Amino acid sequence: NAGVTQTPKFQVLKTGQSMTLQCAQDMNHNSMYWYRQDPGMGLRLIYYSASEGTTDKGEVPNGYNVSRLNKREFSLRLESAAPSQTSVYFCASSRGENTGDYGYTFGSGTRLTVV
Amino acid sequence: GNSVTQMEGPVTLSEEAFLTINCTYTATGYPSLFWYVQYPGEGLQLLLKATKADDKGSNKGFEATYRKETTSFHLEKGSVQVSDSAVYFCALAPSGGSYIPTFGRGTSLIVHP
Repeated sequence: NAGVTQTPKFQVLKTGQSMTLQCAQDMNHNSMYWYRQDPGMGLRLIYYSASEGTTDKGEVPNGYNVSRLNKREFSLRLESAAPSQTSVYFCASSRGENTGDYGYTFGSGTRLTVV
Repeated sequence: GNSVTQMEGPVTLSEEAFLTINCTYTATGYPSLFWYVQYPGEGLQLLLKATKADDKGSNKGFEATYRKETTSFHLEKGSVQVSDSAVYFCALAPSGGSYIPTFGRGTSLIVHP
């Protein structure tokens, strides 16, 4: 099915370990985003890529890095995981930077626990 | 800055009841407005949208009207089903600048048989 694919779906890390969350979309969208979702906090933007070759910080970028590998793929890396990064991570894409026209398509999420 | 305020949940209803979830916003210019739905264990899905004042978005029996005079975009459904149980997010997308959407915190809906 067309859409946004995230891997892995679940992950448990020890404090200090590193990992990369993968995201790929097959809708030829230009813009991609990483959010985290925490209880009572709603969605918070970590990083986004308005177009291939560009990345920008969102609301909560500390402790994360991103790579826009190509138009389809946008990865999120935790270099040294901390318990505060326990969350559900969502990748999203949009046709263009102006999300007002079409909105977002979200992936199904990665549930990360840092112990 | 932009902001979206949703009513706190959970909202608990019996099947076939009328649903209203309130959403108000603060934004400059003329943002687009959205409702997203998140079913348990899944990502958010776009439910409906409206791009200008007085527009009505509708999908799957849900409706919301863009009211610029009251800066509101309330979600309604005439008769809810158990399968509507989910978390509903109101969001706005700015009409300029960074274009990054602002989401509300979500309202949980629980529908009992």
